[in-house]
Amino acid sequence: DIQMTQSPSTLSASVGDRVTITCRASQSISNWLAWYQQKPGKAPKLLIYKASSLESGVPSRFSGSRSGAEFTLTISSLQPDDFATYYCQQFESSPWTFGHGTKVEIK
Amino acid sequence: QVQLQESGPGLVKPSETLSLTCAVSGGSISSSSFYWGWIRQFPGMGLECLGSIYYTGSIYFNPSLESRVTMSIDTSRNQFSLKLSSVTAADTAVYYCARQRGHSGGWCLDYWGQGLLVTVSS
Repeated sequence: DIQMTQSPSTLSASVGDRVTITCRASQSISNWLAWYQQKPGKAPKLLIYKASSLESGVPSRFSGSRSGAEFTLTISSLQPDDFATYYCQQFESSPWTFGHGTKVEIK
Repeated sequence: QVQLQESGPGLVKPSETLSLTCAVSGGSISSSSFYWGWIRQFPGMGLECLGSIYYTGSIYFNPSLESRVTMSIDTSRNQFSLKLSSVTAADTAVYYCARQRGHSGGWCLDYWGQGLLVTVSS
């Protein structure tokens, strides 16, 4: 299975901060990566697909990028609604594995 | 707007079979553009894909679960189902069904059900 190493596991930030979350794949996954946001008691919500494509309806402060085997989710200016847990998921090969999540907390 | 809704028992006894159904509304399960998947989330919050099924019946299984998982699709009822046999406490999780895009859409999971907590306990 492809292992997805996500960091940090927890991040404390303030409203307006620029936030960066990283996901590294154990082998090449091309651009087959998605990012999700999950709030307590809710299902994950798709934010980014194909590493950098913004899902329809998702605010433009969210962006995704790739540098080799490292993928980054950036929130340009953190908003109150953004405090949540974020997961990456690869789709290079089945089983489609997830990172362990990054919880974004209020500083 | 596509909606998915899981249904099934919230409590299953060890060694028995967990059976869940996902009803899809707002879109056809027979669309050639999508797969239909099952994902679970453990109490520690980790996420695991169990598998995905296409309207033709073609299936991707998670190899670690393949011997215990059965998936089926009912296009006449616009729903798909999961069976997980010989469950143990380690199968306790929130089970989600989701729509999965095909290759051109990046394979991602774009619509999810609300989730169903299944506890394995005697």
